[in-house]
Amino acid sequence: AQTVTQSQPEMSVQEAETVTLSCTYDTSESDYYLFWYKQPPSRQMILVIRQEAYKQQNATENRFSVNFQKAAKSFSLKISDSQLGDAAMYFCAYTSYNTGNQFYFGTGTSLTVIP
Amino acid sequence: ETGVTQSPTHLIKTRGQQVTLRCSSQSGHNTVSWYQQALGQGPQFIFQYYREEENGRGNFPPRFSGLQFPNYSSELNVNALELDDSALYLCASSSLDRAIPSGANVLTFGAGSRLTVL
Repeated sequence: AQTVTQSQPEMSVQEAETVTLSCTYDTSESDYYLFWYKQPPSRQMILVIRQEAYKQQNATENRFSVNFQKAAKSFSLKISDSQLGDAAMYFCAYTSYNTGNQFYFGTGTSLTVIP
Repeated sequence: ETGVTQSPTHLIKTRGQQVTLRCSSQSGHNTVSWYQQALGQGPQFIFQYYREEENGRGNFPPRFSGLQFPNYSSELNVNALELDDSALYLCASSSLDRAIPSGANVLTFGAGSRLTVL
């Protein structure tokens, strides 16, 4: 079974600084998709960024970018110019065609942004 | 476009009771997935419904059941509630096209229903 591991339960960053959240996963598949979702106190999960495993280029969305290392099965999220509104739980997730549309989530990293 | 809406937002039940949670999918989406998120954990896949039929199930017992209606809305039913069923239940909709790998269909989540079992 696929597993997703987030080894940092909590992280903090100064406003306007950069922070990197870590994620590793275990899979025997070659084609899959990786995601970072943000869950603020409102509870609604919001998609931050998505990466297709067949693409070598790292995905970017404005201040958010990933470092995708397929061989190492690592998928970290970098948040640049951190803002107070970035404070939330961040979940790394995996899915593939062979998982039957099921998303596997990590246990999350709680990000605090310090003014 | 309307997003994913869930009801109720909070509810309290006692052990042994039954509960029904409801979800309206985002406009244009044909698939609904349900996830259970225990306190301090990531969401765990319960099942998915596509065209009114179950289309994948996670490691949950049969007392967790669901329905999808012709308008693509969905219900999650849990019978014989146990204390460990206390969690946030998240509904997510997507637009499934079997010609496209599932990961290409991004999940859009609702704000969840917080269930407390006493």
